[in-house]
Amino acid sequence: DAGVTQSPTHLIKTRGQQVTLRCSPKSGHDTVSWYQQALGQGPQFIFQYYEEEERQRGNFPDRFSGHQFPNYSSELNVNALLLGDSALYLCASSLDMGGEETQYFGPGTRLLVL
Amino acid sequence: AQSVTQLGSHVSVSEGALVLLRCNYSSSVPPYLFWYVQYPNQGLQLLLKYTTGATLVKGINGFEAEFKKSETSFHLTKPSAHMSDAAEYFCAVKETSYDKVIFGPGTSLSVIP
Repeated sequence: DAGVTQSPTHLIKTRGQQVTLRCSPKSGHDTVSWYQQALGQGPQFIFQYYEEEERQRGNFPDRFSGHQFPNYSSELNVNALLLGDSALYLCASSLDMGGEETQYFGPGTRLLVL
Repeated sequence: AQSVTQLGSHVSVSEGALVLLRCNYSSSVPPYLFWYVQYPNQGLQLLLKYTTGATLVKGINGFEAEFKKSETSFHLTKPSAHMSDAAEYFCAVKETSYDKVIFGPGTSLSVIP
């Protein structure tokens, strides 16, 4: 059983560019959450997708957007990249169980903005 | 607003010694609480979680944590540290079923042979 997978593993972009990160959830999971983890810090919640809709959003600007597909996979898009967007981006999937679900994390995509 | 504090950004213990990683939270309602571990260049792995019921929660790799509502704490312990326990540990909280998960800043655990 494949766990959560993310692609690419590493990415280098320059300021002002746009980037798309991808996530495939664990088999049977229907909910995908995205987190940004800056170096030396804990993950910060970006948003969560359920039934192809954004259900929750953290304190991130509109430059951060996402999408969930019918097969539950998800994309995170970041426009107009800033140096401060350099971080490890983590995807977590879960099965909606009314709050007691466990989130399973992928290995992350490390983004470097130059 | 929810928040998580982890006392000690770095903790060192000798192999075989007790591991104690501290976590305090702020929440207006009884929360859901989690401990995650992150090994270098990897994602996060759930160690244990508290949702309801028994306040002493046992997790993987011999770790356990106790929810103490009066102290708003959820400290992580392991009786005997192993070299393989060296990693970054994150405490996390969420208030309601569909609320976002808030992570603490993390504690880096070193195990000295």
